[in-house]
Amino acid sequence: DGGITQSPKYLFRKEGQNVTLSCEQNLNHDAMYWYRQDPGQGLRLIYYSQIVNDFQKGDIAEGYSVSREKKESFPLTVTSAQKNPTAFYLCASSMGQGHTDTQYFGPGTRLTVL
Amino acid sequence: GQNIDQPTEMTATEGAIVQINCTYQTSGFNGLFWYQQHAGEAPTFLSYNVLDGLEEKGRFSSFLSRSKGYSYLLLKELQMKDSASYLCAVMDSNYQLIWGAGTKLIIKP
Repeated sequence: DGGITQSPKYLFRKEGQNVTLSCEQNLNHDAMYWYRQDPGQGLRLIYYSQIVNDFQKGDIAEGYSVSREKKESFPLTVTSAQKNPTAFYLCASSMGQGHTDTQYFGPGTRLTVL
Repeated sequence: GQNIDQPTEMTATEGAIVQINCTYQTSGFNGLFWYQQHAGEAPTFLSYNVLDGLEEKGRFSSFLSRSKGYSYLLLKELQMKDSASYLCAVMDSNYQLIWGAGTKLIIKP
């Protein structure tokens, strides 16, 4: 079955620690995205990548880092510099042909900083 | 700035019809998306409109008026499983999605 997987579903971290969230897709999509979702707010774009070995900052990239070494994988690192990291993190992918195309989402990772 | 407005919460009765509105002001327009999101889960794609008019998909329909910056999602024959948040998103001139905060729909028996 084709799809997007994120792991883990729930993650707890102590303040001051970096943590990496996994995102893998087998849809053969070129583009991948990371969003953050907070209660009462729309999804906010953290980083996106249209092609392997290239990625762009979104609206709220500060305190986050990504890599895109393989087409299938787009891990997100939440660093200790992110001041309010507790949130629901969603990874998405799309065909990414530079035009309007539908984004499909993974199941999400809920990060809680203790 | 760019802005997407949707009602925060709506309540409807099982078997009825409900219309969820979305108004937008964005830098350019390359289409409007509706997603459904159950609590704690990922958003799932419902519909896409880029031309004015109504698109129908089973019990769900979506309407767009570009001149008014307005869309609605119409859900017919409501079922309990339709209880979810409905997210409106507009693709701007840079092909980035701008998201509304979502409308939480509560279905009562």
